Amino acid sequence: EAQVTQNPRYLITVTGKKLTVTCSQNMNHEYMSWYRQDPGLGLRQIYYSMNVEVTDKGDVPEGYKVSRKEKRNFPLILESPSPNQTSLYFCASSLWTSGMYNEQFFGPGTRLTVL
Amino acid sequence: AQSVAQPEDQVNVAEGNPLTVKCTYSVSGNPYLFWYVQYPNRGLQFLLKYITGDNLVKGSYGFEAEFNKSQTSFHLKKPSALVSDSALYFCAVRAENQAGTALIFGKGTTLSVSS
Repeated sequence: EAQVTQNPRYLITVTGKKLTVTCSQNMNHEYMSWYRQDPGLGLRQIYYSMNVEVTDKGDVPEGYKVSRKEKRNFPLILESPSPNQTSLYFCASSLWTSGMYNEQFFGPGTRLTVL
Repeated sequence: AQSVAQPEDQVNVAEGNPLTVKCTYSVSGNPYLFWYVQYPNRGLQFLLKYITGDNLVKGSYGFEAEFNKSQTSFHLKKPSALVSDSALYFCAVRAENQAGTALIFGKGTTLSVSS
């Protein structure tokens, strides 16, 4: 089954404790992206990657890191989480073609609480 | 700068009646427009997209959307609503000439269909 998986689905942590949210897709997609969803703000892009070893900042990258060492994986790293990073996080992937008109496939989400 | 507006936080409609969820956008150049739906505790699912061509786009679950360039709108419609259509709907846009940049989402509209 074609899918985007994220782990963990739920995480409660404390300020300053480094964490990683994993994302994996099995569709051989070039493009992957991380979003955060907050009430009244919709989805905002954190980072994206157009292919292996190619990453770039989205609209709200502060406090986050990513890496793309393999095509299928795109982990999101919070080196020193803070309470304002409490949010619902989604990973997404799509084929990458010139013009970027392909729809994105979303993972099930990771609900993160930082105390 | 690209932007998307969904002017209604919530739309209420009775089952069997037609529904419209509104979306307006602002981009430089030609837009790529998308609608996604989010059911409770789930990731976003792609409904339909407009790239070019016919202004009336048909998508999943009986939904359609009409692209109106002069009004910069891309309203989502369905002739007869079902209770199971109740969900959170997001409109999103990307400019044709900005490959690799963020897909900009609206803040979302909650659709509530009553029986």
